[in-house]
Amino acid sequence: SQTIHQWPATLVQPVGSPLSLECTVEGTSNPNLYWYRQAAGRGLQLLFYSVGIGQISSEVPQNLSASRPQDRQFILSSKKLLLSDSGFYLCAWTSTTVSQYFGPGTRLTVL
Amino acid sequence: DQQVKQNSPSLSVQEGRISILNCDYTNSMFDYFLWYKKYPAEGPTFLISISSIKDKNEDGRFTVFLNKSAKHLSLHIVPSQPGDSAVYFCAASGIQGAQKLVFGQGTRLTINP
Repeated sequence: SQTIHQWPATLVQPVGSPLSLECTVEGTSNPNLYWYRQAAGRGLQLLFYSVGIGQISSEVPQNLSASRPQDRQFILSSKKLLLSDSGFYLCAWTSTTVSQYFGPGTRLTVL
Repeated sequence: DQQVKQNSPSLSVQEGRISILNCDYTNSMFDYFLWYKKYPAEGPTFLISISSIKDKNEDGRFTVFLNKSAKHLSLHIVPSQPGDSAVYFCAASGIQGAQKLVFGQGTRLTINP
């Protein structure tokens, strides 16, 4: 069966510090991978998606970037965090179906 | 431009009664619709979906109805249980490739004992 991991679960970072969130998927090959953010009281905003290694599409211009160094690894990064980057970050995957399957999420607080 | 809208931010229902969550969309090119359930500090979990060629899909206590002419879908939960208390998101797919989903803002459902 397929499993998706995200870490860390929670993170508190000062403004201006770098960020690296990691997502890995097990039990499937060549998945589509997605990064979402849920800000407080808001819906799910798609940030990036990837259909293959090294292929990244950005949905919203922002302070963040994404990379996919391996088939089942998706990384969300920032060089300098802003207060507005606070939120709940979710990684998701899909393969042959439309339904996406989400990881447990990372709660990021920027102070 | 909010292509998928959930106009009710919250809903409170008595245990055992029917919960009806609503979702509207604007783009007639969407061809697949999904409902997700989310507990606090967890990732959303897939509940049920419906293709645009159908108008109803049922799975246990959950039924999704699609009215294409009105660009409206709804999720019915019968009977409602305390464990159903969560935030429910509707999502739509089909127009943007890469199996991308467009999500609504979510509705917080509270089931009262």
